[in-house]
Amino acid sequence: DAGVIQSPRHEVTEMGQEVTLRCKPISGHDYLFWYRQTMMRGLELLIYFNNNVPIDDSGMPEDRFSAKMPNASFSTLKIQPSEPRDSAVYFCASSLTLPVDTQYFGPGTRLTVL
Amino acid sequence: RKEVEQDPGPFNVPEGATVAFNCTYSNSASQSFFWYRQDCRKEPKLLMSVYSSGNEDGRFTAQLNRASQYISLLIRDSKLSDSATYLCVVPNQAGTALIFGKGTTLSVSS
Repeated sequence: DAGVIQSPRHEVTEMGQEVTLRCKPISGHDYLFWYRQTMMRGLELLIYFNNNVPIDDSGMPEDRFSAKMPNASFSTLKIQPSEPRDSAVYFCASSLTLPVDTQYFGPGTRLTVL
Repeated sequence: RKEVEQDPGPFNVPEGATVAFNCTYSNSASQSFFWYRQDCRKEPKLLMSVYSSGNEDGRFTAQLNRASQYISLLIRDSKLSDSATYLCVVPNQAGTALIFGKGTTLSVSS
């Protein structure tokens, strides 16, 4: 079975540009999570969805960040406008039936904002 | 106490050594715990789940001490391939999300 799929794997952009990260969760998983990882702060939960509905977005750093899940097999995380401090690795993960179940991570998108 | 706290290391050990990592957590009501492994520039992957007093899988043993609110991971007969960062993971206070520790880095050398 395919795991969590993310694209792009690497993104280099300039400050002020819009960035869109994409994720396809494991089929049949009810929960989808977006995380950001930096050396300083570790792995931080940004937002998660249950059956395509956003449940907790308290980790989204500010209004420049938005996430959508239009259907069970696709989610996007958008940053507009991007800033150098947004540079990080962004992971998408999914879990089967509970938000505290085992989570399966995608390979991540390494974002660099110049 | 932080929700989850780990010694960042690094732990540098020779092949064949036994090494143990500890992790402390603040949510006394937590019922499930996890250890994830993250290789350099890769995604975290589940290593072990811990639901009761402990769990063992080959060379890896996870132990849970609820009274003191810590979890340990013991690796016996270390291999070069064990070199990675090990993340301790616990549910948040509300039981609605997982909190990942910052990880303990292990480097096994020949």
